[in-house]
Amino acid sequence: EVQLVESGGGLVQPGGSLRLSCAASGFTVSSNYMSWVRQAPGKGLEWVSVIYSGGSTYYADSVKGRFTISRHNSKNMLYLQINSLRAEDTAVYYCARAVISGLTNWFDPWGQGTLVTVSS
Amino acid sequence: SYVLTQPPSVSVAPGKTARITCGGNNIGSKSVHWYQQKPGQAPVLVIYYDSDRPSGIPERFSGSNSGNTATLTISRVEAGDEADYYCQVWDSSSDHKGVFGGGTKLTVL
Repeated sequence: EVQLVESGGGLVQPGGSLRLSCAASGFTVSSNYMSWVRQAPGKGLEWVSVIYSGGSTYYADSVKGRFTISRHNSKNMLYLQINSLRAEDTAVYYCARAVISGLTNWFDPWGQGTLVTVSS
Repeated sequence: SYVLTQPPSVSVAPGKTARITCGGNNIGSKSVHWYQQKPGQAPVLVIYYDSDRPSGIPERFSGSNSGNTATLTISRVEAGDEADYYCQVWDSSSDHKGVFGGGTKLTVL
């Protein structure tokens, strides 16, 4: 069964850092495109970042320079290092496999999400 | 950057047909994907590549895309279809980014 399980969320002060993890099973992270998507409380979905199978990484403008996506091939894990946290980064963070076809990607499956709360 | 516009809410009676739109500049030239999200749950893919259904998604869910509007159609709506629905495209024209619509709350009356 293809499954994703996130961890690492929590309460952090503004300016702080956190590393989110996503454990994959049923498929190989390094052979796929993998993304992070977040959802602020009561708000819609916001795409955050993607890492391609070849290792290229891309970010939303709102997080560029503060967030870093990476993976550990032998552990079959995806990570999101989030630095210089702001109140507006408060959200549930989902990892998702980005299925590619031609010039498009869609996200399937999704993990259950991990909540990051930025507050003093 | 590319913008997708969805109506905040759509209401429909059980057994009727719900249509949720997703507007974007020449969206017909892109592939549109749709997700269903129920309260407290992660999103679930219900339509990909404009009109394809993943395994396990009922045939009542269908999609279309032309011109400046993509549409998710849910036929014979059931109470269990009440959820938030999001459209999504991949914008690789200027940068490699995922783009989501603002979401539509489907209420089953």
